[in-house]
Order: sequence, then C-alpha cells, then structure tokens
Amino acid sequence: GAVVSQHPSRVICKSGTSVKIECRSLDFQATTMFWYRQFPKKSLMLMATSNEGSKATYEQGVEKDKFLINHASLTLSTLTVTSAHPEDSSFYICSAPAGGSLSYEQYFGPGTRLTVT
Amino acid sequence: GNSVTQMEGPVTLSEEAFLTINCTYTATGYPSLFWYVQYPGEGLQLLLKATKADDKGSNKGFEATYRKETTSFHLEKGSVQVSDSAVYFCAHQALGQLTFGSGTQLTVLP
Repeated sequence: GAVVSQHPSRVICKSGTSVKIECRSLDFQATTMFWYRQFPKKSLMLMATSNEGSKATYEQGVEKDKFLINHASLTLSTLTVTSAHPEDSSFYICSAPAGGSLSYEQYFGPGTRLTVT
Repeated sequence: GNSVTQMEGPVTLSEEAFLTINCTYTATGYPSLFWYVQYPGEGLQLLLKATKADDKGSNKGFEATYRKETTSFHLEKGSVQVSDSAVYFCAHQALGQLTFGSGTQLTVLP
C-alpha cells in the first residue's frame, strides 16, 4: 500500500527555537496533505490542510504564524513550529490521500514526537 | 456539524472475550466511515472501512456495519487476542477531511 513518512520521528528542542517536521508521500503524489496534533490519550485534532502550490488552510484556533506549512512539491509538506514553547509538546501526524483525490483512503505517517524543554 | 462519538475507555478484556466499541456520528451527506488502530509506539493504521449504508467492513476478525438509520458504526470482534491491545479510533470522511472520535484504549489480558 501507499507509504507516508515523517522526519524526524522524535525531536527535543529548547523553548524559543523553531522545529521543522517533514511529511513525504513515498510512492504517490499528494496535492493535499493534512496535519494533525494528538495529545496524550486524546483524539487527533486536525490542524491544517496543506495544499501544493497554494496557501495552507488552517482550522479554527490554530495559529498560522506559529505553525508554518509549506507544500513544496507533490510529495513533500513541511510543518514548522516557530518559537516553540512547552505547550507545543505533542505528537504531530500527517496524512495524505492516495491517488491524488480527496475521496481516496488516507495514509498516515508514523508521527513526530516533539518535546519542548 | 460533523462529529464522531465513541465509547470512552479504557476497556480491559480477557483473551477470547467478545469486544464491542460503540461509535456514532453526525454528518451532512453520506460520509465514508472508518476504524483506525494505533498500536503502542506506532502510527495510525486503517483497520476497516465502509463507504455506504449497510456496507460491512471487516479485517483481522474485526467487523463494523454502516448503519445509516442509527448513524452508527460499532466495532466488534468475537474473540480478542492480547495482540489486539491498542487504541481504536472511529472516523468519518467527507470531502477528504477526516473527523476522529476520541479513541478507545483496549487492553487484552492473557
């Protein structure tokens, strides 16, 4: 099946620094990717929809200046957490619909554990 | 609006017990319905899905039937194994966007 990778899988950074998380579709092209945040023992919360060649669409309550999304190519979307704070510590997951259509099944990356100290 | 409500956990069962995790949804139109599983330390994996009313999704002994009249998609397994211990998420998808339930932690004891 389709594969989505994320890098890094785990990152620890200091307060005030920025961290970039990559999401790649390895064997298919994805004009749209989704970024989620998962809190401990909680569900996934959709943060934003990443669109190749255009601006990301952010969900209500998600600061677009803090969580910068760039969909650089048909196989890569990046999420940059700027000026990170301890409350940004979380598990970030991306997904992409295989087949290039929103009606297709979503494939999820393995997630990135961010810890801000 | 769109939402998914699933049974709160945690759920602890003995091996070979019967499992039911309830899931109901609200949505406009006719969404596709999914169950995802997240094993410890891993990402989400699709367990099963159903795309229209009365469809039954099944995989690894798990089943769920898309019930439009009750807007439900309950997950069942007749005999759970220790290896089924994981967090299970019910979700629906409309226009490519997934809405997840809060997740149900399942622990199966030997």
